[in-house]
Amino acid sequence: KQEVTQIPAALSVPEGENLVLNCSFTDSAIYNLQWFRQDPGKGLTSLLLIQSSQREQTSGRLNASLDKSSGRSTLYIAASQPGDSATYLCAVRPGIYNQGGKLIFGQGTELSVKP
Amino acid sequence: NAGVTQTPKFQVLKTGQSMTLQCAQDMNHEYMSWYRQDPGMGLRLIHYSVGAGITDQGEVPNGYNVSRSTTEDFPLRLLSAAPSQTSVYFCASGTGAYEQYFGPGTRLTVT
Repeated sequence: KQEVTQIPAALSVPEGENLVLNCSFTDSAIYNLQWFRQDPGKGLTSLLLIQSSQREQTSGRLNASLDKSSGRSTLYIAASQPGDSATYLCAVRPGIYNQGGKLIFGQGTELSVKP
Repeated sequence: NAGVTQTPKFQVLKTGQSMTLQCAQDMNHEYMSWYRQDPGMGLRLIHYSVGAGITDQGEVPNGYNVSRSTTEDFPLRLLSAAPSQTSVYFCASGTGAYEQYFGPGTRLTVT
């Protein structure tokens, strides 16, 4: 059974610091991996999607990497800002074939960026 | 585009009552799904659909029914609400190998 883990559960950094959030999964048979951001009391906002054949994706100050063989993904945030404070979730779409919109989520990393 | 919309935003039910959470998307997405989010448990898949007329169970389907008669709508029915169904419910949609988009959520309390 696929399981997704995010460590640490919470992280506090000063503004301007570069940081890395970690996501690990137990089964390397994934179709893709998606990183989300969730603000308190809000829905999920998609940040980056990495297909199983890709190694990384970039959007602005965000860079996500994927290493299927080791079951790991990282989300790198450059020059963090207080507005980056939120919970970051990673989710895998399991299986080597497209099985629809099924996602398995980690429990998230709650990020706080202090001014 | 409105994206993924969910109604209501908040709901309080008494144990044993039934209700339907509505989800609609205007992006012509083939895939739609329902998740619940609970503290310490993360988001878990309840039911999903890969197209009109096709639905399947996720990780926690008990106590919930779905149907998908149109591409746009994917309602979630609680048959007889229980306090264990107190949660935040999210609907999502997507297509092909691409991103899944989430609605704003429905906060449900069952007393």
